[in-house]
Amino acid sequence: DTEVTQTPKHLVMGMTNKKSLKCEQHMGHRAMYWYKQKAKKPPELMFVYSYEKLSINESVPSRFSPECPNSSLLNLHLHALQPEDSALYLCASSRDRDYYGYTFGSGTRLTVV
Amino acid sequence: AQSVTQLDSQVPVFEEAPVELRCNYSSSVSVYLFWYVQYPNQGLQLLLKYLSGSTLVKGINGFEAEFNKSQTSFHLRKPSVHISDTAEYFCAVIAGGGATNKLIFGTGTLLAVQP
Repeated sequence: DTEVTQTPKHLVMGMTNKKSLKCEQHMGHRAMYWYKQKAKKPPELMFVYSYEKLSINESVPSRFSPECPNSSLLNLHLHALQPEDSALYLCASSRDRDYYGYTFGSGTRLTVV
Repeated sequence: AQSVTQLDSQVPVFEEAPVELRCNYSSSVSVYLFWYVQYPNQGLQLLLKYLSGSTLVKGINGFEAEFNKSQTSFHLRKPSVHISDTAEYFCAVIAGGGATNKLIFGTGTLLAVQP
């Protein structure tokens, strides 16, 4: 298995909803990442997990809450989002933090209404 | 801080013509460079990477790039493009070091292949 799987592929949520994005990989990678990509913009790093511990938080608002329950799974919990949070959320993984080969998932397209 | 610059936001080209997508990086002692492709409504796929060694890097789908230290460039080339190469192309660099390293992307270049 050489893939990063993200679910759901599309999500529409209201500003008062709570939802979660899921990312899974079975490549034995120990570093996992969340990126946010607005339309016609490059991906921007949000969070980095290394060996299931949060390594980098790029000053992301607290309405985004990451979680890494095990080495294969990365979640992004969403609460009280704003319409401007609508974007493509990409997950990626790499063998570890010093291995510069990231594998990206196909993303979750989030729309906040 | 490490960064990459993609000066061309869009590059139109006819099918079977050669293409070059430009990328310049900020100078540093050690630099690790990447090209990713993003097809519409999809994630990112790694085309090629330069970590060390040979300055000419060959990637997937017939693409190659040359690391040029004196010009701080890492331009992507393909000798003959196909309609299916139409996509957004991102140059990226590893910034920071050790536990703080991050993959940072340029602003992207839309390659528009016309018949």
